[in-house]
Amino acid sequence: NAGVTQTPKFQVLKTGQSMTLQCAQDMNHNSMYWYRQDPGMGLRLIYYSASEGTTDKGEVPNGYNVSRLNKREFSLRLESAAPSQTSVYFCASFRDPGGEAFFGQGTRLTVV
Amino acid sequence: GNSVTQMEGPVTLSEEAFLTINCTYTATGYPSLFWYVQYPGEGLQLLLKATKADDKGSNKGFEATYRKETTSFHLEKGSVQVSDSAVYFCALGRGAAGNKLTFGGGTRVLVKP
Repeated sequence: NAGVTQTPKFQVLKTGQSMTLQCAQDMNHNSMYWYRQDPGMGLRLIYYSASEGTTDKGEVPNGYNVSRLNKREFSLRLESAAPSQTSVYFCASFRDPGGEAFFGQGTRLTVV
Repeated sequence: GNSVTQMEGPVTLSEEAFLTINCTYTATGYPSLFWYVQYPGEGLQLLLKATKADDKGSNKGFEATYRKETTSFHLEKGSVQVSDSAVYFCALGRGAAGNKLTFGGGTRVLVKP
């Protein structure tokens, strides 16, 4: 059982470049989330999708867009990368009800 | 809004020592409380949870009790092992679809043999 799979694991971008982070889950969960993790700040919610076809902003959405392609896949796009977006990005899916989150292994992104 | 405050690390311990990581929260209503653990190079995974006041969550020798009167959810383990070295995150959330977790800043724990 793969759980939550994220690609790529590592990426270096130049300022202004664009990229899409991919996430897929095989647990048939409705809810999927994108977080960023920065030192000393815990995880902050970027965007979430409560169900297929819906997306909503989280705490730090500026500079990002998302697509819930189907129930399995939830992608995060950086249209014009900035150094402030250097971070570790985690995708998660939630088992409803109960609230247990299952996380991918993360994408370490560096913007130079 | 919701917030979670946990003690800053790193916490360095010897094997078999007692571990406590403090966590307090601010929230309206009755959130669920969670502890997640992140081992090096991996994503977060659920360690334990409690869904109502006075509930005790437990797993792998770790325990935490949901204290509404002190708005706390402190994590404890009586005898740590080297394999417990990780970053621990306290979090709160609400049930039903669209549950959004609010995380504390994380506490790094290093257990030395």
